[in-house]
Amino acid sequence: GAVVSQHPSRVICKSGTSVKIECRSLDFQATTMFWYRQFPKQSLMLMATSNEGSKATYEQGVEKDKFLINHASLTLSTLTVTSAHPEDSSFYICSASETSGSYEQYFGPGTRLTVT
Amino acid sequence: AQSVSQHNHHVILSEAASLELGCNYSYGGTVNLFWYVQYPGQHLQLLLKYFSGDPLVKGIKGFEAEFIKSKFSFNLRKPSVQWSDTAEYFCAAGSGGGADGLTFGKGTHLIIQP
Repeated sequence: GAVVSQHPSRVICKSGTSVKIECRSLDFQATTMFWYRQFPKQSLMLMATSNEGSKATYEQGVEKDKFLINHASLTLSTLTVTSAHPEDSSFYICSASETSGSYEQYFGPGTRLTVT
Repeated sequence: AQSVSQHNHHVILSEAASLELGCNYSYGGTVNLFWYVQYPGQHLQLLLKYFSGDPLVKGIKGFEAEFIKSKFSFNLRKPSVQWSDTAEYFCAAGSGGGADGLTFGKGTHLIIQP
């Protein structure tokens, strides 16, 4: 079945530094990838939609200059949290949608970011 | 605005009990509906989905859900739960085009007691 991986699974960084999270579709091509954020004991909130070869579309309230998204290929999207602050600590989850048109989203295992 | 609401945040049941988790949505236009499960320490897995057609959808592990358009509901059911069903359950909705991100409910934490 369709598998999505994320790397790293957890990362701890100091305030003010930047962190890059990778999302890969391992056995299918993904025209579209999505980035979500999940706060403790809460639901997933869509941050942005990433289409291969074009600029990401951000949801209202999400700072595009802080959360840089790059979708350079059909199997890789990256999320860079720039100048991270403790309030950016969260669980970041990506999903990928196949190009074949089934539009089912396959979710990655998530990345736990802790900013100290 | 698009929204998904799940009525029960915590549910505790005994094994073999029947389960129904409520989900209501507010969405403009055609909607796709999903139920995902997140077992402890694992990532989201799709239980079932509704795009069109038969409003009674059967998913994996004995789960089913019924789309009732007039009630804007998509409740998840299972006739007899097992201890291994202990998990977090999320209802989600997306646009009918299918290429947009999903709006999730807050989730229901289900605990099955042996």
